[in-house]
Amino acid sequence: AQSVTQPDIHITVSEGASLELRCNYSYGATPYLFWYVQSPGQGLQLLLKYFSGDTLVQGIKGFEAEFKRSQSSFNLRKPSVHWSDAAEYFCAVGTTSGNTPLVFGKGTRLSVIA
Amino acid sequence: DAGVIQSPRHEVTEMGQEVTLRCKPISGHDYLFWYRQTMMRGLELLIYFNNNVPIDDSGMPEDRFSAKMPNASFSTLKIQPSEPRDSAVYFCASSLGGDRGHGYTFGSGTRLTVV
Repeated sequence: AQSVTQPDIHITVSEGASLELRCNYSYGATPYLFWYVQSPGQGLQLLLKYFSGDTLVQGIKGFEAEFKRSQSSFNLRKPSVHWSDAAEYFCAVGTTSGNTPLVFGKGTRLSVIA
Repeated sequence: DAGVIQSPRHEVTEMGQEVTLRCKPISGHDYLFWYRQTMMRGLELLIYFNNNVPIDDSGMPEDRFSAKMPNASFSTLKIQPSEPRDSAVYFCASSLGGDRGHGYTFGSGTRLTVV
């Protein structure tokens, strides 16, 4: 079965600084990978997804993520963080069989300070 | 498309009462998922449906919880009787094709408080 680890529970960055949120997955084949963002009081919104092909994927709100098979990672990045990026971020992994639900990580809470 | 619609947004009920949460998935989506989110446990999958048929309910915590999907455009999650430990945010999500590539679309959730 697939699994996801988000090693950082909480990260604080200064506005304008760069951001990288870590995600490691476990799955025997090439997975489908996703990043979601949850703002306070809201549901989860899809930021970006990786299926195949180019390992660097672009998402909404200026986010990008890079799939590294050798490291089993799918880290989320943003070059310059805005105060409105403060939220909870979830990484998720799916299988190519399509027969099992996505597995979500426990999330990383991002705080942005002035 | 209006997205996944959940109602009510907030529910406060007394212990022992029946609670029904409702979800309207995106038209054309063939999978529907119910999640529960708490600070302690994070995001937990309770049950999911494919083409209105329950596929896996192993995440449903107790017999007090039940879920139905009578048609492709409506699902309910019922708790009877409710207990304070059921207090959480309950999310419904739908997708096209399960985990195969499209991701899930989540509703805004129902915040349940059992007093």
